[in-house]
Amino acid sequence: AQSVTQLDSQVPVFEEAPVELRCNYSSSVSVYLFWYVQYPNQGLQLLLKYLSGSTLVKGINGFEAEFNKSQTSFHLRKPSVHISDTAEYFCAVSPSGSARQLTFGSGTQLTVLP
Amino acid sequence: DTGVSQNPRHKITKRGQNVTFRCDPISEHNRLYWYRQTLGQGPEFLTYFQNEAQLEKSRLLSDRFSAERPKGSFSTLEIQRTEQGDSAMYLCASSGLSGSHNEQFFGPGTRLTVL
Repeated sequence: AQSVTQLDSQVPVFEEAPVELRCNYSSSVSVYLFWYVQYPNQGLQLLLKYLSGSTLVKGINGFEAEFNKSQTSFHLRKPSVHISDTAEYFCAVSPSGSARQLTFGSGTQLTVLP
Repeated sequence: DTGVSQNPRHKITKRGQNVTFRCDPISEHNRLYWYRQTLGQGPEFLTYFQNEAQLEKSRLLSDRFSAERPKGSFSTLEIQRTEQGDSAMYLCASSGLSGSHNEQFFGPGTRLTVL
């Protein structure tokens, strides 16, 4: 079984400042890792994913994340945020190798302040 | 629009009534997933299909919940004898065999309110 912990439920940050949203996971098997974003009244949209290879993954909208196997972390970063980045962000894992269900964290609400 | 669609978007029902939600996946996707999301939480996996076969249903919350995908295309999720605790957003996602492994594309969800 897998579990995901998102350490911050809310992160307020000023526009153009950098941001890091933290995600730690637990799993007895190797995993794929994902970050999704959810805007109000919308479904989840994939930001980026780690399947294998380079541990630094770049996604859409200027986001990136780094897989750290020893620390079982997959933190999401953006060097300069915009008002439009205000949303709920979810980290998720699934067992690697085949299509399986995603296990999500409880989410981090990112609020970008003017 | 070629994304995942869900109907209805909102459903208000009285306790004890049955409700059914529909999900239409991306047309070339053979895997379809259902999740439930309650306020302030991440989505929680319920069940998934590969084509018409339901390969995992142990996470369905009770025997009041059932899902079907009779022709391997659209799927329905039914909740019988609804309870107030069933109030949540029900999300559907789909994924394909080839290309991006495990990348699930989500629909906008059906918000259920049980009075």
